[in-house]
Amino acid sequence: DTEVTQTPKHLVMGMTNKKSLKCEQHMGHRAMYWYKQKAKKPPELMFVYSYEKLSINESVPSRFSPECPNSSLLNLHLHALQPEDSALYLCASSQEGGGTSGRGETQYFGPGTRLLVL
Amino acid sequence: GNSVTQMEGPVTLSEEAFLTINCTYTATGYPSLFWYVQYPGEGLQLLLKATKADDKGSNKGFEATYRKETTSFHLEKGSVQVSDSAVYFCALLYNFNKFYFGSGTKLNVKP
Repeated sequence: DTEVTQTPKHLVMGMTNKKSLKCEQHMGHRAMYWYKQKAKKPPELMFVYSYEKLSINESVPSRFSPECPNSSLLNLHLHALQPEDSALYLCASSQEGGGTSGRGETQYFGPGTRLLVL
Repeated sequence: GNSVTQMEGPVTLSEEAFLTINCTYTATGYPSLFWYVQYPGEGLQLLLKATKADDKGSNKGFEATYRKETTSFHLEKGSVQVSDSAVYFCALLYNFNKFYFGSGTKLNVKP
C-alpha cells in the first residue's frame, strides 16, 4: 500500500480563520513533507519532518505552522492567510528522510488539499 | 547548483503517436532522477525513476534512461493514449530529500 491520504479535499477560508490540513500514511515512512503548488507550476517544498522532527523549513511565513504528532500523521495549521496563499497543498512521505546524495528515496504524494483563501 | 529543465508544453499528439518529453539536469554529484505525472485535479504520482547512470526506469509503457554523459532523462512512450493526458514533471533528488522539479510539461492526447 503506497497511499498517502489528505483531508479535507477542498477548503475555503477567510483571512481571519484558523484551519488545519491533515495528512496520514501507514507505510512506516519516517519522513513527511508539505509542498505548495500554484496553478501551472511545479510543487514547492515548504517543510520536511524526519523522525518527527522538523528538519527543513524553506523560509515559510509563520502563518503556516506544521506539526507532526506521530510518525504517521502530519498537520499544517493555517492562520491569518492571504489570498495569494490559495493553492494546492500536497503532502508526501518517504522511507527515511535526510538521504545521502545519489540514492534519494522515492516520495509518495497524497492527492492534495485545494485551498481557497477569500 | 541543482536544476532541471524540461521542454515547454503543451505537447499535443494524436492517439498512438510516439511521445518524447525532454529533460536535462544540472547537478553536483550523482542525483536520482524521477518522472512524476499529475492528472487533472490530483496529486503527483510516481511514474518511474532511475538512481544511477545508464539505469532505465519503466512503467506503464513509459521509459526513461539516466544519461550521465548528456545529463538527460528524456521520457518516451511508443504509443500514447487519451488517458495519458496529464502534466509530467521531471525531478532531481539530491541531499536531504529535496526535490528539484522541472516546470512541468502538459500533454494533450487527442482521439
